[in-house]
Amino acid sequence: NAGVTQTPKFRILKIGQSMTLQCTQDMNHNYMYWYRQDPGMGLKLIYYSVGAGITDKGEVPNGYNVSRSTTEDFPLRLELAAPSQTSVYFCATLGGYSTDTQYFGPGTRLTVL
Amino acid sequence: GENVGLHLPTLSVQEGDNSIINCAYSNSASDYFIWYKQESGKGPQFIIDIRSNMDKRQGQRVTVLLNKTVKHLSLQIAATQPGDSAVYFCAESQYGGATNKLIFGTGTLLAVQP
Repeated sequence: NAGVTQTPKFRILKIGQSMTLQCTQDMNHNYMYWYRQDPGMGLKLIYYSVGAGITDKGEVPNGYNVSRSTTEDFPLRLELAAPSQTSVYFCATLGGYSTDTQYFGPGTRLTVL
Repeated sequence: GENVGLHLPTLSVQEGDNSIINCAYSNSASDYFIWYKQESGKGPQFIIDIRSNMDKRQGQRVTVLLNKTVKHLSLQIAATQPGDSAVYFCAESQYGGATNKLIFGTGTLLAVQP
């Protein structure tokens, strides 16, 4: 049981490049979330999903896209990278009301130059 | 609303003392609350959660208190240890509702002095 995995761990992009941040979970959780965290700040919700085939915007969705074709995977797509997207990105799942069902991935540190 | 300020509130305590970290949540419709701990360079780690039908829940060395009247949440850590030094975030959600957004508060930096 790996929990939530994210790839890559680090990435440097040039302005205008695109990339996909991968997030996979093996806990069969319905709810998945993408957050960004800027230095010294809290987490801002980018997109979330309440189940396969269902996604919705969070607080800061501009410049990002998501898809949820399976329960396990929730990739985050950056189409035209901008310096303002330099941040640490966290994927999270929410399974239920219990002490062992809330998980965050280890994060992806993205720098756009 | 937007975050303001570029630094987190800080709570400094002596090792062995009890710590109380506070959080004001924004949505009256929120019925599920979680506390997370984030160590430097790592992702947030679940500590404890509580639903709105309770006003107190205890874990190992931690207690969460919920006051729905004033939309206030607190995390109490007993006998604080150096390993408790981290940033603590509260999060709110409408569990099982039409939207299940998990919205985080600004965070509090807990600094434990040996």
